Amino acid sequence: EIVLTQSPGTLSLSPGERATLSCRASHSVSSSYLVWYQQKPGQAPRLLIYGASTRATGIPDRFSGSGSGTDFTLTISRLEPEDFAVYYCQQYGSTPNTFGQGTKLEMK
Amino acid sequence: QVQLQGSGPGLVKPSETLSLTCTVSGGSLSSYYWSWVRQPPGKGLEWIGYIYYSGGTDYNPSLKSRVTISIDTSKNQFSLKLSSVTAADTAVYYCARVVAVPALGYYYYFMDVWGQGTTVTVSS
Repeated sequence: EIVLTQSPGTLSLSPGERATLSCRASHSVSSSYLVWYQQKPGQAPRLLIYGASTRATGIPDRFSGSGSGTDFTLTISRLEPEDFAVYYCQQYGSTPNTFGQGTKLEMK
Repeated sequence: QVQLQGSGPGLVKPSETLSLTCTVSGGSLSSYYWSWVRQPPGKGLEWIGYIYYSGGTDYNPSLKSRVTISIDTSKNQFSLKLSSVTAADTAVYYCARVVAVPALGYYYYFMDVWGQGTTVTVSS
């Protein structure tokens, strides 16, 4: 099983700041199989990024993804108030299609 | 646009079978994978498994002995059964559509449409 470890667990930032979220895999994952989701309280997850770096339809360009192998990053260039949420990475490279434990992005 | 609506009992007794259904509206089951994901209270997401529209399945090994995902194309629905439940199975259960997008020699996979989530509590 591929374990995805996200860091930090909680990130406290202010609107307008830059957020950098990490997702580290226990084994190499093809970048085509790495996905990022955003989840707000009481809501289902929302697709942000697939293929490690391709924004889903309707996702603002302040969200970007990068990385390969075992290290992947989600960057939010300038935080908007609606960006404060929990972010999960997921891999589809092998069964089970595991999720990271999540990074909570909270307003400072 | 495609919408997913999960349904099923909100309370299940220990040792019994949890049964949930996801109804797909605004689109067809064809050519997609259909997945279940759960989230225990205050915790992260756990992938349960998926079914292809033609019937092939893949399950999380940690749940495989207790899980069955099935599909009914005539009703545009897919379902989850989880047997011998315990309190550890208490969670919000999400159904989701999995898209496989062909690229150069490989596929992108991702869940692009999610149901609203069904809260299931296991308690006597």
